[in-house]
Amino acid sequence: NAGVTQTPKFRVLKTGQSMTLLCAQDMNHEYMYWYRQDPGMGLRLIHYSVGEGTTAKGEVPDGYNVSRLKKQNFLLGLESAAPSQTSVYFCASRWPDLGTEAFFGQGTRLTVV
Amino acid sequence: RKEVEQDPGPFNVPEGATVAFNCTYSNSASQSFFWYRQDCRKEPKLLMSVYSSGNEDGRFTAQLNRASQYISLLIRDSKLSDSATYLCVVRPPGGFKTIFGAGTRLFVKA
Repeated sequence: NAGVTQTPKFRVLKTGQSMTLLCAQDMNHEYMYWYRQDPGMGLRLIHYSVGEGTTAKGEVPDGYNVSRLKKQNFLLGLESAAPSQTSVYFCASRWPDLGTEAFFGQGTRLTVV
Repeated sequence: RKEVEQDPGPFNVPEGATVAFNCTYSNSASQSFFWYRQDCRKEPKLLMSVYSSGNEDGRFTAQLNRASQYISLLIRDSKLSDSATYLCVVRPPGGFKTIFGAGTRLFVKA
């Protein structure tokens, strides 16, 4: 009963390095999301996807790219990490129905030095 | 104006107290509303959905006021285990996005 799984759980990057965060869900959900959470600012939407092969920008997309080649996976890439991208990243997924719950992964704590 | 606004708190209450949180939203056409709970260094989890007629789940009561564009959460008989951050969540028209408030911190003390 895995639900939503994020890898890695922790990472330290140097400025300018690249990395990919992986989100995998086994609930056959259509919609998937990437959020970042910073102190006092709540969860801010980075990118989202409403189905395999589709992605869209959220509130804070700059510096990030995403891909959804398979329905169960949603990848978040940082091409050239900056200290401002130090944050906790959460992936979530849900069914399309309006009132459905979003299920979250356990988060990735990323530090860019 | 932020799409979803909450009082950040913290709210410090004794065990057994009743505490209420409010949350305002900017888009009057928003269609779905929720309260999530987030424990320290953990992921958010659904506490309850908010229905137009109001709804109750044990010690928790949620209300929606569309005219004034706010939702509320009432916790009765607070327990130590209720200490957490409570996130107000709104789903705008279109239904794709889910917008989170910054959260209200609650500390329940013995």
